[in-house]
Amino acid sequence: DQQVKQNSPSLSVQEGRISILNCDYTNSMFDYFLWYKKYPAEGPTFLISISSIKDKNEDGRFTVFLNKSAKHLSLHIVPSQPGDSAVYFCAASGDDKIIFGKGTRLHILP
Amino acid sequence: SQTIHQWPATLVQPVGSPLSLECTVEGTSNPNLYWYRQAAGRGLQLLFYSVGIGQISSEVPQNLSASRPQDRQFILSSKKLLLSDSGFYLCAWSVSGGTEAFFGQGTRLTVV
Repeated sequence: DQQVKQNSPSLSVQEGRISILNCDYTNSMFDYFLWYKKYPAEGPTFLISISSIKDKNEDGRFTVFLNKSAKHLSLHIVPSQPGDSAVYFCAASGDDKIIFGKGTRLHILP
Repeated sequence: SQTIHQWPATLVQPVGSPLSLECTVEGTSNPNLYWYRQAAGRGLQLLFYSVGIGQISSEVPQNLSASRPQDRQFILSSKKLLLSDSGFYLCAWSVSGGTEAFFGQGTRLTVV
């Protein structure tokens, strides 16, 4: 039973355009949501998070949106840069557990 | 500042051999500790988490076990490895009751 779902295994975006990565969750006990960036053979790096009491959090080029009623969150990267090419993981936290999705591989095209 | 150390970075072990992966955290007290596994082509699967010394919660039934003998030490073990135990193992910590998890560099385990 997958509690955190990233339904797009990969995404290709032109450099300079907006990248939008999506994530859905099923468990209402999650109260904090996170996005991580991961390169091969390295641990994930924390990018940005959002509490369940908010619907938007912005940090530079990264913005996370949360729609609690739809149990959906998204990460917007704008403008997209070549260094953004990586695997992005959505995660949800609650009750001392942090559950990750399967990841979306983002390719930034020149 | 807080740091997390995980070793070894790579490990090749024969089927049926034991396993011990160690993780330590510095610069914080009473952290939550986690073990995750990333199998080939799959996401990060939560294996175990711990909210305190001697307190271990298992998320999935498997051939592995975890222990927390000290506040900032988390150990992943197996008595007899299976081929299916191959993968990339990651240790992480977060503040107690919290939110963002911070990861070690991972251990690439290959069971042959």
